[in-house]
Amino acid sequence: GQQLNQSPQSMFIQEGEDVSMNCTSSSIFNTWLWYKQEPGEGPVLLIALYKAGELTSNGRLTAQFGITRKDSFLNISASIPSDVGIYFCAGLHNFGNEKLTFGTGTRLTIIP
Amino acid sequence: GAVVSQHPSRVICKSGTSVKIECRSLDFQATTMFWYRQFPKKSLMLMATSNEGSKATYEQGVEKDKFLINHASLTLSTLTVTSAHPEDSSFYICSALQGNSNQPQHFGDGTRLSIL
Repeated sequence: GQQLNQSPQSMFIQEGEDVSMNCTSSSIFNTWLWYKQEPGEGPVLLIALYKAGELTSNGRLTAQFGITRKDSFLNISASIPSDVGIYFCAGLHNFGNEKLTFGTGTRLTIIP
Repeated sequence: GAVVSQHPSRVICKSGTSVKIECRSLDFQATTMFWYRQFPKKSLMLMATSNEGSKATYEQGVEKDKFLINHASLTLSTLTVTSAHPEDSSFYICSALQGNSNQPQHFGDGTRLSIL
């Protein structure tokens, strides 16, 4: 099935640095979601975006829904050790029974 | 907040065994539940969509006789891996969608299945 392209695939950064990752699609989505997954656990929702152009923050996290509805980015400011994990974007065409299309993931590692 | 419980969290069993994984929505009614499979260092791959009271819809390439899904109530869906073999070893994750809600899917914590 379709997958969204996420970049970068992995990041190694020092604590305190800002992080930026993005997600692109060949088709339009009406909702973009960003999840974080830690080892051995299920994904946890970080931010949900419902309108093209929308910019939403959740603490140190900021995400934007691209104007074309084919992309989204996630920024993390002043990274801390607990930010380590895999970040997935996911697109949704419509709420209801619609299934999520997941991105390929960005693995974030924090260097002490 | 909405909580989805998955059980067991880890299971190790012999080849040929059938394994049942439960997914429960603890504080809401889930009209739809989804089952995903995740290989190491890979993204989540949707296996099937399960609607309460009806047959599950399987994604292309997923064997419905191998992965039996039952969604008998609004709070419980089960995935049974029948006659499991080592190649079925994986991380299985469920999610639940609350009926009449605009909330995104809520995910369980996954089940690590290891077939010896």
